[in-house]
Amino acid sequence: AQRVTQPEKLLSVFKGAPVELKCNYSYSGSPELFWYVQYSRQRLQLLLRHISRESIKGFTADLNKGETSFHLKKPFAQEEDSAMYYCALGASGAGSYQLTFGKGTKLSVIP
Amino acid sequence: DTGVSQNPRHKITKRGQNVTFRCDPISEHNRLYWYRQTLGQGPEFLTYFQNEAQLEKSRLLSDRFSAERPKGSFSTLEIQRTEQGDSAMYLCASSLGHLSNQPQHFGDGTRLSIL
Repeated sequence: AQRVTQPEKLLSVFKGAPVELKCNYSYSGSPELFWYVQYSRQRLQLLLRHISRESIKGFTADLNKGETSFHLKKPFAQEEDSAMYYCALGASGAGSYQLTFGKGTKLSVIP
Repeated sequence: DTGVSQNPRHKITKRGQNVTFRCDPISEHNRLYWYRQTLGQGPEFLTYFQNEAQLEKSRLLSDRFSAERPKGSFSTLEIQRTEQGDSAMYLCASSLGHLSNQPQHFGDGTRLSIL
């Protein structure tokens, strides 16, 4: 069974400080990892996917299969980064197209 | 294209009533998903369609829940004999194509409140 753990419900950082949102997963197959973000009064939207190895809005995330982690990082937090962040796991290699989400971490950037 | 559209945005009903929600996916997307989200939790998968075929269902989807996607376009999710525990945000998502890593695009959701 797939499982995603986001250990922090709330993370508060000062503007300009580094940010790391933690995500650990449990899956025996080849995982597909995503970060979704939900800004206040907006819909859930894709931020990053591991297969793209891209940087979006200054955020990066590296898949570490040894540690089964996919932590989201940004070197300098901005106020507009304040939002709810969800890590999600896909397992299409097993014939399933559902996403398994973590409970989310609320990031609050203090001015 | 305005993205995934869900109606209604809010639904308040009494326990025991039936409710139906509608989802219009992004027009070229052949895959459609329903999720449920309760307070303090991430979205939980309910069911998935590829075109008109319902290919995957979660055990969360009890007999009171039914979903359809006639003609592979819009989808409806019906809950019969609603219970207090059905109160949640119901999210629809759609994605394109055959690649496993095509991202899912979400709608705004329908918030269901059971009195």
